[in-house]
Amino acid sequence: EVQLVQSGTEVKKPGESLKMSCRGSGYSFTDYWIVWVRQMPGKGLEWVGSFYPGDSDTRYSPSFQGQVTISADRSISVAHLQWSSLKASDTAVYYCARKAATAAAGLDVWGQGTTVTVSS
Amino acid sequence: DIQMTQSPSSVSASVGDRVTITCRASQGSSTWLAWYQQKPGKAPKLLIFGTSSLQSGVPSRFSGGGSGTDFTLTISSLQPEDFATYYCQQTNSFTFGPGTKVDI
Repeated sequence: EVQLVQSGTEVKKPGESLKMSCRGSGYSFTDYWIVWVRQMPGKGLEWVGSFYPGDSDTRYSPSFQGQVTISADRSISVAHLQWSSLKASDTAVYYCARKAATAAAGLDVWGQGTTVTVSS
Repeated sequence: DIQMTQSPSSVSASVGDRVTITCRASQGSSTWLAWYQQKPGKAPKLLIFGTSSLQSGVPSRFSGGGSGTDFTLTISSLQPEDFATYYCQQTNSFTFGPGTKVDI
């Protein structure tokens, strides 16, 4: 079964760091983009950034450039989204999803989401 | 940067109704579109990719169309399980639209 499994709920204080994970299984991890999506409470979907494990091509939404870092360990089929200094406004659910390496492909498999709460 | 808009932002409908949601891209070159359905507390689900291709397992009452900068998602006969929020996404740039809530 093709699936993406994300790490668990996080509760952090402002200024703390965070690294969340997304593990792919049941498919060739290097053949698909991993796309990170934010959903703030009661709001819509926002593209955070994308990583292609095949060649480490990394793209960030202008809204998130410099705020987060996306990476992956191809050897264990895990992608990461990390912050060095969290803000209260980072409180959201973060999803990872996979996308085939063609322009027309959609995000066909999604992780279950990681809830992040940042509060003092 | 490409911006995506959707209309309407919400629509009230009944079971059996035909519902059409429109998505517009700010730029139209080589635009491919996907549509997603999201229910509260759940991850989004891919319905349509490549503007008009139905994702495996998605009922045929869902259809996508359009080209250039203007695209549509149509639900031909609304079913109880279709009440949800729908998002478009320009898949070249990964950019999402703001969403359309379909409720009773």
